[in-house]
Amino acid sequence: EADIYQTPRYLVIGTGKKITLECSQTMGHDKMYWYQQDPGMELHLIHYSYGVNSTEKGDLSSESTVSRIRTEHFPLTLESARPSHTSQYLCASKRTGQSSEAFFGQGTRLTVV
Amino acid sequence: AQSVTQPDIHITVSEGASLELRCNYSYGATPYLFWYVQSPGQGLQLLLKYFSGDTLVQGIKGFEAEFKRSQSSFNLRKPSVHWSDAAEYFCAVARNNDMRFGAGTRLTVKP
Repeated sequence: EADIYQTPRYLVIGTGKKITLECSQTMGHDKMYWYQQDPGMELHLIHYSYGVNSTEKGDLSSESTVSRIRTEHFPLTLESARPSHTSQYLCASKRTGQSSEAFFGQGTRLTVV
Repeated sequence: AQSVTQPDIHITVSEGASLELRCNYSYGATPYLFWYVQSPGQGLQLLLKYFSGDTLVQGIKGFEAEFKRSQSSFNLRKPSVHWSDAAEYFCAVARNNDMRFGAGTRLTVKP
């Protein structure tokens, strides 16, 4: 059973609101990732972190920001939500090393109206 | 550039039939390869992984995959599909310390 948690699971919010999607893991993994996934579509890496105080943008341009103040916590923030941000957001973590697999949270389904 | 290709967007099989999902990778070094499954509205769950040794790897839920270096492939197989196997399947390759995913194959199981 993976110990990585995302909250909320579902969120419907109005345009212009600021939102934070939470992601926490209790496995002590250094590396954490945020992926954006539209229904039935591939995963796009939008942010990643290799450890505390380390954050990088991924392949897909995103207006969101992330922080990594603690190893176990990797929140994603949208300062002003727009309908184009409607999507599923998946958080993942893994140990250092290419042979180690990524563990995923259950995702946050965000709808901006 | 390193990439993962899943040629089949959608596959439909009858319950009890065999299954093969294709995955091709483009990678300059020894690849670390993974298959994940995603049920609707859920995150991804690891089915199996390959990084060295025996080229036929066994995973959970009766799945297996075979690594073929000459074909740059890592196809997922199951001898007899169950209705509960209906889901989205993703092939992934570890690149440096990131994981890159294919576009996924959606599996529909007919009764």
